[in-house]
Amino acid sequence: NAGVTQTPKFRVLKTGQSMTLLCAQDMNHEYMYWYRQDPGMGLRLIHYSVGEGTTAKGEVPDGYNVSRLKKQNFLLGLESAAPSQTSVYFCASSLTGGPYEQYFGPGTRLTVT
Amino acid sequence: QQQVKQSPQSLIVQKGGISIINCAYENTAFDYFPWYQQFPGKGPALLIAIRPDVSEKKEGRFTISFNKSAKQFSLHIMDSQPGDSATYFCAALGRDNFNKFYFGSGTKLNVKP
Repeated sequence: NAGVTQTPKFRVLKTGQSMTLLCAQDMNHEYMYWYRQDPGMGLRLIHYSVGEGTTAKGEVPDGYNVSRLKKQNFLLGLESAAPSQTSVYFCASSLTGGPYEQYFGPGTRLTVT
Repeated sequence: QQQVKQSPQSLIVQKGGISIINCAYENTAFDYFPWYQQFPGKGPALLIAIRPDVSEKKEGRFTISFNKSAKQFSLHIMDSQPGDSATYFCAALGRDNFNKFYFGSGTKLNVKP
């Protein structure tokens, strides 16, 4: 099992450009999450999905969109990148019931100049 | 408002010493408290977790102490090793309408040889 994979690993964008981050999991998990990690702020939830075809907003959704067309994939889109979106982005997945462990991907480091 | 408060922000411990990281929460509805370990360039990985019906859980050199009345929990790393140098996040699980994890801000541990 590959677990949770993310592409790309690194990306540099100019302000105003758009991009999509891809997350894939092969554990048949229902729940998937997108977080951003900034120094001293822990992990903040951007969007999440409780199943195929569903998405919902987390704590910091502005400037991002998501889609979950297939159960194993969760896409995070930046429509018009801003320097404030410079961060490390993590995707995670988990089962609906216990155990409640979240499995994280390796992260995508995004820099917006 | 941060739901889970973590301290200290950074910690330096000598090899063989005890590392202690503390977390406090407000929401009494939280019912699962994991600790995640993150090495540079990697995603967080579950280290150990506890439910509020027990006061302590031990796995090898890692122990969670849980004080339900004080709404506090802590991670103790006994006989700390340089390989334990990483960032540690506490978290709490709230149910709302899905399994939402609230993360602390993280503690960067450096174990000196």
